[in-house]
Amino acid sequence: KNQVEQSPQSLIILEGKNCTLQCNYTVSPFSNLRWYKQDTGRGPVSLTIMTFSENTKSNGRYTATLDADTKQSSLHITASQLSDSASYICVVSASGGSYIPTFGRGTSLIVHP
Amino acid sequence: DTGVSQDPRHKITKRGQNVTFRCDPISEHNRLYWYRQTLGQGPEFLTYFQNEAQLEKSRLLSDRFSAERPKGSFSTLEIQRTEQGDSAMYLCASSLDRGTPYNEQFFGPGTRLTVL
Repeated sequence: KNQVEQSPQSLIILEGKNCTLQCNYTVSPFSNLRWYKQDTGRGPVSLTIMTFSENTKSNGRYTATLDADTKQSSLHITASQLSDSASYICVVSASGGSYIPTFGRGTSLIVHP
Repeated sequence: DTGVSQDPRHKITKRGQNVTFRCDPISEHNRLYWYRQTLGQGPEFLTYFQNEAQLEKSRLLSDRFSAERPKGSFSTLEIQRTEQGDSAMYLCASSLDRGTPYNEQFFGPGTRLTVL
């Protein structure tokens, strides 16, 4: 069964600090992995997409890494801002078939001033 | 605004009533997805359309749920005889299918349903 596990479930940090969120998956055959940011009461918005051959990808202060061998990804947020407070969802798609992605439960990040 | 829109944004209903939600996807997108999300959880897939054809339905989609996309543009999700367990955020997403798994899904703001 395709699964995506995220950790930690929640995280509280001070403004300006860095943090790293983790994602482990068992989706097979692997096609791509996306990190989404979801603000409270809003729909998710894509931050990055990574394919099998990519190890790291950045989007501003967000840097995603992928280890396809261990089936792990991380999202690193540098110099956090209050606006980073949101849920971060890891989404993995398999190749072949209907391309319905598998969503993780998300990590809830709170950035305090 | 050319993003995905959903209506209404909030719906409060009494148990046993029927409700209908609407989703307007990005105009050129041929795929449309419905998800349900409860507090602290990631979105759970309900169903998706390729143009007007409903191609896949999750087992979560009980016989009280029905979705349509009659002209391949907007879509409606109807819940009959609502139950308190139906309380959730209902998200719609759309994508342009190019026959690859790299299609980004663009999400709407969601409809928050509360069943009293």
